[in-house]
Amino acid sequence: SYVLTQPPSVSVAPGQTARISCGGKNIGSKSVHWYQGKPGQAPVLLVHDDSDRPSGIPERFSGSNSGNTATLTISRVEAGDEADYYCQVWDTSDDHHVFGPGTQVTVL
Amino acid sequence: EVQLVESGGGLEQPGRSLRLSCAASGFTFGDYAMHWVRQAPGKGLEWVSGINWSGQTIAYVDSVKGRFTISRDNAKNSVYLEMRSLRAEDTALYYCAKDRGFTVTNDPFDIWGQGTWVTVSS
Repeated sequence: SYVLTQPPSVSVAPGQTARISCGGKNIGSKSVHWYQGKPGQAPVLLVHDDSDRPSGIPERFSGSNSGNTATLTISRVEAGDEADYYCQVWDTSDDHHVFGPGTQVTVL
Repeated sequence: EVQLVESGGGLEQPGRSLRLSCAASGFTFGDYAMHWVRQAPGKGLEWVSGINWSGQTIAYVDSVKGRFTISRDNAKNSVYLEMRSLRAEDTALYYCAKDRGFTVTNDPFDIWGQGTWVTVSS
């Protein structure tokens, strides 16, 4: 089965840039989607198909994908960005959707 | 307003059954695939099952194959998850999620419900 890896946590000061990696074998050949999860709230789709943003998502959130790593970048980090972030792909071998283990972002 | 509302969760004993429901509104339900995603306490998201727009293509994570059954009723704008032979490890918040497309593959989940809790314990 396809395995995704993410750092357990990332800390960033307000106004700075946070980068969250999502590793997987040849992930650059897959479409990667990113979600934000906050306690007591439904997850929110932030970035889809590697780098596209749904309407209503701030431009501060961007994505890239190449080789064995996809990256979610949060620019000009705000206190409200403190949350868990998950990457997701479709595993064509097992016909499964796969989520990464999640990265907890802490705003210092 | 686009909305998904889950129901049917609760406390159940190991080996018993539960049926989750998800009522959709605000979009043409029959045009989209639907999914169930769960989150165990203190853990990350885990995709459980997906069903395409017509109900003819279904997929499950290995850990629930043979125990869980996903279905949908497009006339009632609803998707269901029949959970049998429940185990302690099935304890989680179960989310219903709308697919951006009509197949269960590749597309993101653009709308999520608030979830319904399932606790499996004796």
